[in-house]
Amino acid sequence: QSALTQPASVSGSPGQSITISCTGTSSDVGGYNYVSWYQQHPGKAPKLMIYEVSNRPSGVSNRFSGSKSGNTASLTISGLQAEDEADYYCISYTSGSTLVVFGGGTKLTVL
Amino acid sequence: HVQLQESGPGLVRPSQTLSLTCTVSGGSISSGSYYWNWIRQPAGKGLEWIGRIYPSGSTNYNPSLKSRVTISVDTSKDQFSLKLYSVTAADTAVYYCARAMAGILTFDIWGQGTMVTVSS
Repeated sequence: QSALTQPASVSGSPGQSITISCTGTSSDVGGYNYVSWYQQHPGKAPKLMIYEVSNRPSGVSNRFSGSKSGNTASLTISGLQAEDEADYYCISYTSGSTLVVFGGGTKLTVL
Repeated sequence: HVQLQESGPGLVRPSQTLSLTCTVSGGSISSGSYYWNWIRQPAGKGLEWIGRIYPSGSTNYNPSLKSRVTISVDTSKDQFSLKLYSVTAADTAVYYCARAMAGILTFDIWGQGTMVTVSS
C-alpha cells in the first residue's frame, strides 16, 4: 500500500481536461511544497512533469499544471492528447524516516 | 546535457548480491548540489525509493531496505553504485538511477532503467 493515495485510473476524451489527485498527510503533501509529478509511458523511465507543486520544467507543455489544497495535490492536464496516455505518479518529501513517499500511480486513458 | 546509464547483471541468484552501477555523462557527478538516487519498480507496480548518495559520500536509505543496501560513489569515474544483499524473488524489478536536487527531492533526470531478475 502506497503512502500517497491516487486513483487507479482516470479517462478523458481528446480535448477535454482531467485532474489526478494525490492525497497524503500533514507530514508530507500538506506540510511541504515538495510535491512532484511524473509521467511514465510503458517500458520507459518516468519523466518529471511538475515540481514543487506547480512548477513546470523547461520543455513540458503548459497543458500540464499542478496545485495543492491541504493534504491533497492535483495534476491537471488540459486539451488531452493521445500522447498523454500514460501512468502518472506523485512523489512528496516526507518528514518521516523514508524521506520521500510515492503515490501508487494513476493510469490515464485517452478515449 | 546530463544523462544517466545503469549497468549490471540482468540475472541474480537468490541469496546473492545484486550489483548495479550508474554512469553520469554530460556533466560531473560532483558539480552542483545534487543527490544521486536508486529507485526500483517491480513489473506492473509502483515506484520504490531505495536510497541516495551525495558526492561527499553521505547516504540515506529507505528503512525497509537499509539492512541490505549499500550505495557508494566514485567521483573520479562519475559513477555511483548499488549493492543489494541477500536478494529474493521480491527484489525482481526494473532498477533506475536518478538525479535529485538537494533539499527538494525532485527527480529531474532518470536513467533508462535496467531489469534485474532474481531466479535460480
